Amino acid sequence: DTAVSQTPKYLVTQMGNDKSIKCEQNLGHDTMYWYKQDSKKFLKIMFSYNNKELIINETVPNRFSPKSPDKAHLNLHINSLELGDSAVYFCASSQDLVGNEQFFGPGTRLTVL
Amino acid sequence: GEDVEQSLFLSVREGDSSVINCTYTDSSSTYLYWYKQEPGAGLQLLTYIFSNMDMKQDQRLTVLLNKKDKHLSLRIADTQTGDSAIYFCAEKAQGGKLIFGQGTELSVKP
Repeated sequence: DTAVSQTPKYLVTQMGNDKSIKCEQNLGHDTMYWYKQDSKKFLKIMFSYNNKELIINETVPNRFSPKSPDKAHLNLHINSLELGDSAVYFCASSQDLVGNEQFFGPGTRLTVL
Repeated sequence: GEDVEQSLFLSVREGDSSVINCTYTDSSSTYLYWYKQEPGAGLQLLTYIFSNMDMKQDQRLTVLLNKKDKHLSLRIADTQTGDSAIYFCAEKAQGGKLIFGQGTELSVKP
């Protein structure tokens, strides 16, 4: 059973489109995250949610809107896609805000043409 | 501030030990981590260490933490070609987020 899963694995789209990436964890964790990995492999936090409540919004453009319908899901919706949004997006989860282990999903490679 | 630094590349011969180094700035970090990323794959949690520990060993992996110098290292004993990957050091910061280093690309030559 996959602990943290993301769909789709690959996403190719045109500039200006709106797209969503879904994330689900079956670990019973309270806290979920979105990270962005750029072309140089640099990983940076975007958002975190704890018990469906937004905790961190790391100066991400408001074209990016996370939504947490329940504790097991954290989806990422992106409006008006730009070339610079091309990256690999990773979802992660941890037991809670102080939990010691943070597990990552397989990533979604977004390519904006 | 929050900053994590790693060297970008390391090349070793199969069977040798690999040592990947990392420095961090946030002295209040509670946990420090090592993740492995193989090409085209996600991030695999290899090991982590609590900030009040000096060392942690897990099979071929040894983590050393020097809190005074804010220096973390990962030693892989008997390195194999399957260990070739990018290794990320990370510190846990406020709100549970991880601050990652740039990643060290480990190349293992037969």
